[in-house]
Amino acid sequence: DQQVKQNSPSLSVQEGRISILNCDYTNSMFDYFLWYKKYPAEGPTFLISISSIKDKNEDGRFTVFLNKSAKHLSLHIVPSQPGDSAVYFCAAPRRDAGNMLTFGGGTRLMVKP
Amino acid sequence: NAGVMQNPRHLVRRRGQEARLRCSPMKGHSHVYWYRQLPEEGLKFMVYLQKENIIDESGMPKERFSAEFPKEGPSILRIQQVVRGDSAAYFCASSRPGTGGHEQYFGPGTRLTVT
Repeated sequence: DQQVKQNSPSLSVQEGRISILNCDYTNSMFDYFLWYKKYPAEGPTFLISISSIKDKNEDGRFTVFLNKSAKHLSLHIVPSQPGDSAVYFCAAPRRDAGNMLTFGGGTRLMVKP
Repeated sequence: NAGVMQNPRHLVRRRGQEARLRCSPMKGHSHVYWYRQLPEEGLKFMVYLQKENIIDESGMPKERFSAEFPKEGPSILRIQQVVRGDSAAYFCASSRPGTGGHEQYFGPGTRLTVT
């Protein structure tokens, strides 16, 4: 049972344009969501998070939107830069399981110069 | 201010051998999580440990896999009698007590290849 899903395995965007990465979840108990960025041969790096009491969180070029009724969140990157090319994972901690993270399958973002 | 350390970074084992993966958490962190990433997939939780205790091992295969986090030294993920399907990237993350889930810092991973 995949509780966090990222339905787009890849996304290609022109430099300077907006990148929108999507994530859906099924577990209504999730109350916190995180986005991680991962370069090849490196571990995931925390990018931005959002609590379920909010519907938006912004940090520089990165904004995460949460739609609880649709069980959907999205990460917006604007403007996109070539250095943003990486795999992005959304994740949610299981409060009933020591906060272990449940990850989506990832979306590979390619930003073309 | 070292981050989470994992070694080795790359490990090659023949089928039937044992693999030992090590993780040193960040200073001050007493919680360790192990995740596995199979090719073209997301990370899957394996086990959650605190010092000298396994808290949750619901993601660990029932056989051949074990983990420990001793009072002194790194956390060890041990895979006995490896098979080709064990080939994956294994990531360790650490956190401080009482954090809310986003405070998990990941190591660079160990890439296990079983030949």
